[in-house]
Amino acid sequence: GQNIDQPTEMTATEGAIVQINCTYQTSGFNGLFWYQQHAGEAPTFLSYNVLDGLEEKGRFSSFLSRSKGYSYLLLKELQMKDSASYLCAVRDSNYQLIWGAGTKLIIKP
Amino acid sequence: GAVVSQHPSRVICKSGTSVKIECRSLDFQATTMFWYRQFPKQSLMLMATSNEGSKATYEQGVEKDKFLINHASLTLSTLTVTSAHPEDSSFYICSAPGTSGGYSSYNEQFFGPGTRLTVL
Repeated sequence: GQNIDQPTEMTATEGAIVQINCTYQTSGFNGLFWYQQHAGEAPTFLSYNVLDGLEEKGRFSSFLSRSKGYSYLLLKELQMKDSASYLCAVRDSNYQLIWGAGTKLIIKP
Repeated sequence: GAVVSQHPSRVICKSGTSVKIECRSLDFQATTMFWYRQFPKQSLMLMATSNEGSKATYEQGVEKDKFLINHASLTLSTLTVTSAHPEDSSFYICSAPGTSGGYSSYNEQFFGPGTRLTVL
């Protein structure tokens, strides 16, 4: 079966750095996405990786290793507004998105 | 970026009634749209893929006669929850593969703001 694992919840301090990991086993691979979702709102796109390596976009970076079935989202200079759920999703060989359950990130002052 | 709207944002209805939710791509054409359901503290669950001009493709376990999907144009897909029951109460979200230039691509999903359905 297809599976995406990410931690349920993480806590970090304002101004610090946090890394949210995602491992996946899917039928084929056509890209990995990270989305941010605030409570009661729809997800918003953060990043897309299809090749191995690090993609940097401002305070957020995303890393992918296809051979290890592994990705992480790195958030720097954490702000209180970064408190949200972070969803990892993999597009499989049928171009269908397989979603992880999300990681709830709590930022403390 | 591409914008997807959803209407209504919230709806409360009585058990047994039907509710229609609209999903529109505002500045691009979407031949495909996706409908998701999300229960509290859970991830997105794909319900169906809506295809313009043809029948929707439903995920296993989703009743196509209960969740009617119509994709009548390149910018509009509708989901109708028929004979709604309290267990259908959930957050319904649509998305479309989006890009600039008026045609869909698969590099990103643009989500509508979601519809909170409460069935009493």
